[in-house]
Amino acid sequence: DSGVTQTPKHLITATGQRVTLRCSPRSGDLSVYWYQQSLDQGLQFLIQYYNGEERAKGNILERFSAQQFPDLHSELNLSSLELGDSALYFCASSVAGADSPLHFGNGTRLTVT
Amino acid sequence: GEDVEQSLFLSVREGDSSVINCTYTDSSSTYLYWYKQEPGAGLQLLTYIFSNMDMKQDQRLTVLLNKKDKHLSLRIADTQTGDSAIYFCAESNSGGSNYKLTFGKGTLLTVNP
Repeated sequence: DSGVTQTPKHLITATGQRVTLRCSPRSGDLSVYWYQQSLDQGLQFLIQYYNGEERAKGNILERFSAQQFPDLHSELNLSSLELGDSALYFCASSVAGADSPLHFGNGTRLTVT
Repeated sequence: GEDVEQSLFLSVREGDSSVINCTYTDSSSTYLYWYKQEPGAGLQLLTYIFSNMDMKQDQRLTVLLNKKDKHLSLRIADTQTGDSAIYFCAESNSGGSNYKLTFGKGTLLTVNP
């Protein structure tokens, strides 16, 4: 158990809808990362937050947004969903903002029908 | 640019050693990581090596780093059926206060009894 909690585990929704994925980092970790894993693209970095502030952005679509709250949990919002957004979404956390290992949650499997 | 390459498949017999190879491009990577993903699970941090080291051993795992060739390998001694999983190599990329990991597409290790 990595200590990173993601909810829900599975999500099935229709095209055009909006969903929110939630992540609680390990106790003491200030940094939260979101990754998307799909068969064709592999693991793609989406976005990083450190102590409530956005620190780095990767291949995140404009339809997607995230935030990190004062209690350090994070949410990833996906809107106007398309079939191609079906993937496994991972949250990871680390102690600091740089040079520390990432610890991953078990992911949320999103299926868009 | 950032790119991590791994072979996609490796098949070994139980009790043999497994060697999973990885090449990366970012010569400024501070740490290089190996993660393991079992079916339906998140990414489990296996081990990592600091870029100024050549080798790190941790029980059955040996990591070798050739910084000149940007080549990383993971050797699993006495491979067991429980080692069957996807193994991801990752390089760290730092830019100021930004920090993220870039992953390879993963190597599926199959251990045959």
